[in-house]
Amino acid sequence: DAGVTQSPTHLIKTRGQHVTLRCSPISGHKSVSWYQQVLGQGPQFIFQYYEKEERGRGNFPDRFSARQFPNYSSELNVNALLLGDSALYLCASSLNSGFKTQYFGPGTRLLVL
Amino acid sequence: GQSLEQPSEVTAVEGAIVQINCTYQTSGFYGLSWYQQHDGGAPTFLSYNALDGLEETGRFSSFLSRSDSYGYLLLQELQMKDSASYFCAVNTGANNLFFGTGTRLTVIP
Repeated sequence: DAGVTQSPTHLIKTRGQHVTLRCSPISGHKSVSWYQQVLGQGPQFIFQYYEKEERGRGNFPDRFSARQFPNYSSELNVNALLLGDSALYLCASSLNSGFKTQYFGPGTRLLVL
Repeated sequence: GQSLEQPSEVTAVEGAIVQINCTYQTSGFYGLSWYQQHDGGAPTFLSYNALDGLEETGRFSSFLSRSDSYGYLLLQELQMKDSASYFCAVNTGANNLFFGTGTRLTVIP
């Protein structure tokens, strides 16, 4: 079975632009979580979606939004990009809601200039 | 506020045993997870403790003491490929997972 996939792998944007990142969970997994990881730091929780509903939100501004589709894939949207949004964005999938066992994708590396 | 404390760096010899500690102070606690991340790679799930005690998975073991807000990851028979960053993470409830800043483990011959 394929693991968690994310696209694109790398992205360069300029300040003020908008970006959409995509994630496909492991087949059969119904929960997707998004994390931001700045170099040298641990991942920071952004959102969790389960069965197409938002189940958790971290301490991120409203410029960050997400959604989950009927096939359980997910999109993370970031508006009005700031230099500080440059980071590795990770998607993780799990069978159910909660965080007992998560499988991470390879991430999307975003650079904001 | 919430905090997780881990040593920033640990060095150990191939074949030896190493323990990485994690102390936490969070608004809620549902469980403690451990993840491994190689440079340039994605985090990989290692273990999860919801109750006090030791969980063993092959060469890796994880321990939790909820009364002490403390846990550790124990790696035995260290191999060079174990060189990576290790993160503890607390499920604080309210569907939130809070990660520590990570411990960089270097295994030397």
